[in-house]
Amino acid sequence: AQTVTQSQPEMSVQEAETVTLSCTYDTSESNYYLFWYKQPPSRQMILVIRQEAYKQQNATENRFSVNFQKAAKSFSLKISDSQLGDTAMYFCAFMSLGGSQGNLIFGKGTKLSVKP
Amino acid sequence: SQTIHQWPATLVQPVGSPLSLECTVEGTSNPNLYWYRQAAGRGLQLLFYSVGIGQISSEVPQNLSASRPQDRQFILSSKKLLLSDSGFYLCAWSREFYGYTFGSGTRLTVV
Repeated sequence: AQTVTQSQPEMSVQEAETVTLSCTYDTSESNYYLFWYKQPPSRQMILVIRQEAYKQQNATENRFSVNFQKAAKSFSLKISDSQLGDTAMYFCAFMSLGGSQGNLIFGKGTKLSVKP
Repeated sequence: SQTIHQWPATLVQPVGSPLSLECTVEGTSNPNLYWYRQAAGRGLQLLFYSVGIGQISSEVPQNLSASRPQDRQFILSSKKLLLSDSGFYLCAWSREFYGYTFGSGTRLTVV
């Protein structure tokens, strides 16, 4: 069974600085998708970024980028120029292309606080 | 554009009472639908998913059940709530492998 591990329960960063959130996963599959979701205090889950495992190029979305290391099964999220609105829980998630109908498996999350 | 609606936003129910949470999706057809639960300070646990009308798969045995009476409607139910059913419940939909779009969630407190 696939598992997703986020080893940092909480992190903090100063406004305008850069922070990296870690995520590792375990799977025997070669084709899959990885995601980062953001859950602000409103509790609404928002998709931040998506990476297809067959693509070597790291995904980027404005200030958000990932470092995808397939051999190491690592998928970290880098937030540049941190803003107060980035304060949220961040969840890493794995989706297999086979088997369970595209079910997402989530890590336990990292609580990020951006300080002014 | 696609939207997902989930209600109610908050609910306080006594132990042993029934539960019905509803989720509807607009702007798409034949979506995959999901119910997740998020306990305080923890990650998301998949409860049920559905790939079509009347097709429900359960990931975790519990006293909850789910139904999909229409293509874009997904209902989470219980006949008798337990204290341990308290949590934040999220509905989501997906098509293919783009990822999920989540509803705004229901905070359930069982007292």
